[in-house]
Order: sequence, then structure tokens, then C-alpha cells
Amino acid sequence: SQQGEEDPQALSIQEGENATMNCSYKTSINNLQWYRQNSGRGLVHLILIRSNEREKHSGRLRVTLDTSKKSSSLLITASRAADTASYFCATDGNNDMRFGAGTRLTVKP
Amino acid sequence: GAVVSQHPSWVICKSGTSVKIECRSLDFQATTMFWYRQFPKQSLMLMATSNEGSKATYEQGVEKDKFLINHASLTLSTLTVTSAHPEDSSFYICSAREWVTEAFFGQGTRLTVV
Repeated sequence: SQQGEEDPQALSIQEGENATMNCSYKTSINNLQWYRQNSGRGLVHLILIRSNEREKHSGRLRVTLDTSKKSSSLLITASRAADTASYFCATDGNNDMRFGAGTRLTVKP
Repeated sequence: GAVVSQHPSWVICKSGTSVKIECRSLDFQATTMFWYRQFPKQSLMLMATSNEGSKATYEQGVEKDKFLINHASLTLSTLTVTSAHPEDSSFYICSAREWVTEAFFGQGTRLTVV
């Protein structure tokens, strides 16, 4: 079963704009990870944030984690057409790793 | 980063036959492996979690006699889809990690049952 929900389900923006995706989950976690997936392909790991961390940056990516609200957000700044993909959060709990429903991001050139 | 090799990348089989998918960790010890199934335009659904040397833990609704998982070594896990039917056609992805660290994913296997 899936861990939680992501919103929005789909997001369409212009190149250069920022994209924010949110993820909510249900149970306690050790860490939370964000992945991207191009259509029909494997997953690419983007960033991992541990349960005792609140914010993490990697290049144009910024991830926040609020364990009290059981939610996380992924911000992609200065988006590019190549960022078009599906983005998933994955929660790492007690010996399991579950994915959210995902956000389909389309960046228009 | 660490590498997980999944093979084959795609397979077509006849209904009623069995298909084995391999997942190998190439440069680390995979103490835990996860198997997922992904239908078109949907998210990854966890099928089972396996720890090396132990029986896999299957998610509710996943038939353990149909989806046989073996994790006999620290570098290899296999998923065998037995008596495959067209509804088993899907994208299967494995991931592996060493203890409680970042999980690395294979490239996935697209299974088509005809």
C-alpha cells in the first residue's frame, strides 16, 4: 500500500518558474527521500532528508520536512524543460519504504 | 553512487509461464531489498520487503505463492512471477540498501504477458 498523498497530482509551469510539490504521510519515519522518474524509466534519487532535519538543499532543489505535520515539500527553483518528469516522495519507516502518489511536472519551454 | 543492476530490462512471456527478475547490488551489501510494481501513470506499489537470509514480508493483497522472492545472498535478490497472466503485465522495480541508508533502485523490468 502507499504511504500517503502528494499534491498537486499534476503541475504545469513555464521555464524559469519555481515548482513546489508537497507530500504527506501517515506513519513515523526514519527519513524521507525524493525521486524523479522520466516516463517509463527507472528512478533517480534526488535528495534524502532525515527525520531530525528540517530543511536540506541540493543545487536547485530545496526540501523541507515537518514531522509534526507529517509532511514534506520539494521546491525546484528556476525550472528547466528538462525537469519535466514525475516526482515521488518515499518514506522510510520500520523496514519498509513506501511511495506517495507522485506529482507529474511539466515545464514548458 | 551505489549501483543496483536489474535484469532483464524488458521481457515478453506467454500466459502461464514463469518469469524471473534479478536484482543485484554491485558495490555494497544489500541487507534489505524492496520489490515494487508500477502500473502506467501510477505510483510504485510496494510488493514485498526482503532481508538477506530471511523470508520476504509481503504486502497485503500480494500473493506470495505467485510472486516468489528469494534473497539468499547480500548481493542478489530474485522475483519470480509464476504462472503469469496478462494482468501481471507491469513495470517491476527493485531497490536495495545496506542497513538504514539511502536505497538505490534498479532500472526496472517491463513485463508483458501475452
